[in-house]
Amino acid sequence: NAGVTQTPKFQVLKTGQSMTLQCAQDMNHNSMYWYRQDPGMGLRLIYYSASEGTTDKGEVPNGYNVSRLNKREFSLRLESAAPSQTSVYFCASSDTGFGGGYTFGSGTRLTVV
Amino acid sequence: RKEVEQDPGPFNVPEGATVAFNCTYSNSASQSFFWYRQDCRKEPKLLMSVYSSGNEDGRFTAQLNRASQYISLLIRDSKLSDSATYLCGIAHGGSNYKLTFGKGTLLTVNP
Repeated sequence: NAGVTQTPKFQVLKTGQSMTLQCAQDMNHNSMYWYRQDPGMGLRLIYYSASEGTTDKGEVPNGYNVSRLNKREFSLRLESAAPSQTSVYFCASSDTGFGGGYTFGSGTRLTVV
Repeated sequence: RKEVEQDPGPFNVPEGATVAFNCTYSNSASQSFFWYRQDCRKEPKLLMSVYSSGNEDGRFTAQLNRASQYISLLIRDSKLSDSATYLCGIAHGGSNYKLTFGKGTLLTVNP
């Protein structure tokens, strides 16, 4: 089982460029999440989708948009990248019942120059 | 008070030592508690769920203290391979699926 797959693994963007980070899970999980991880800041929730068809803002949503394309896929879009968005981005999924915690993807290392 | 706070690191211990981490939370309605392990430049991986009655998995013991609002992770007989960052994740009140994480505690086990 692949679990949670994120693409790309690495990306360098110029300020103002846009891009979409892709995430797919094959565990039939209802909920999916996007976090960013910065040194000294820990994991911070950007957006989440409790179930297919719903999305909600997390702690740090500014500058991002998301799409829950179907039950498997949850994408994160940066419309106009800024250096402050340089970070490691993790996608995660979980069952709504939540007994088992999250499964994380391997992350996307994004640098905005 | 921050929602979730962890012991500041780093912890440097010799092989065979016992080490304990704590994680405090501010929302008394928090419902689900987890410990994750994160290796350098890797994703966090679930280490243990934390149950009200406490739970043990080999050398690892997790406990929940609702009265004082903290969870703990005890590692006995530390191995070199235990070196990693340990994150606590807590689902706070009103949402049993949205986790808030601590900033993590770096553990280095030395030979």
